[in-house]
Amino acid sequence: QKEVEQNSGPLSVPEGAIASLNCTYSDRGSQSFFWYRQYSGKSPELIMSIYSNGDKEDGRFTAQLNKASQYVSLLIRDSQPSDSATYLCAVRGAIYNFNKFYFGSGTKLNVKP
Amino acid sequence: GAVVSQHPSWVICKSGTSVKIECRSLDFQATTMFWYRQFPKQSLMLMATSNEGSKATYEQGVEKDKFLINHASLTLSTLTVTSAHPEDSSFYICSARAGTSVTDTQYFGPGTRLTVL
Repeated sequence: QKEVEQNSGPLSVPEGAIASLNCTYSDRGSQSFFWYRQYSGKSPELIMSIYSNGDKEDGRFTAQLNKASQYVSLLIRDSQPSDSATYLCAVRGAIYNFNKFYFGSGTKLNVKP
Repeated sequence: GAVVSQHPSWVICKSGTSVKIECRSLDFQATTMFWYRQFPKQSLMLMATSNEGSKATYEQGVEKDKFLINHASLTLSTLTVTSAHPEDSSFYICSARAGTSVTDTQYFGPGTRLTVL
């Protein structure tokens, strides 16, 4: 079982819609969760971090964390064509594995004009 | 804040030569730096983790004698690909993390595209 699992997509949504990206992780002791966006040919850039159960909003982005279900999601409201990219979910290892960041393989998002 | 630079951004070299890639944290001190490799249309693959002043920890399957990592200061880490071959052609990305708390994250450099002829 991989540490972090994501659906590879592609996920296609029309412009203006809500895009919902999901991620599950295996280590119940993990405490830090991150979403990165990676455009084709570029390196990943940090979008959101979340550490507590519930929702965290930043502009059009909302990260949701449910530790009991070991589930992290990213919602993108009012999706724009410029949001088309691969979204990587990253989970930091638990206290005994604190220096490790585990990345999912990414979900490719296509926002159609 | 939290800017990480890499140099060079791209490099073309002949088979058998060595290539050095630099990774710098510009506005923070990086307790830990990470080196990743990414082949086209594939996910990030962690190669090694390095802490300033100590030997790097390599992931399984990564040849430490081929990919030399030096983390000489809190703002600079280097990756040297020794005796490069065409199969080493890839996108090499470094990242850096400041601090050791649960809220610390890692920030990525822009990447170095290596082509070995």
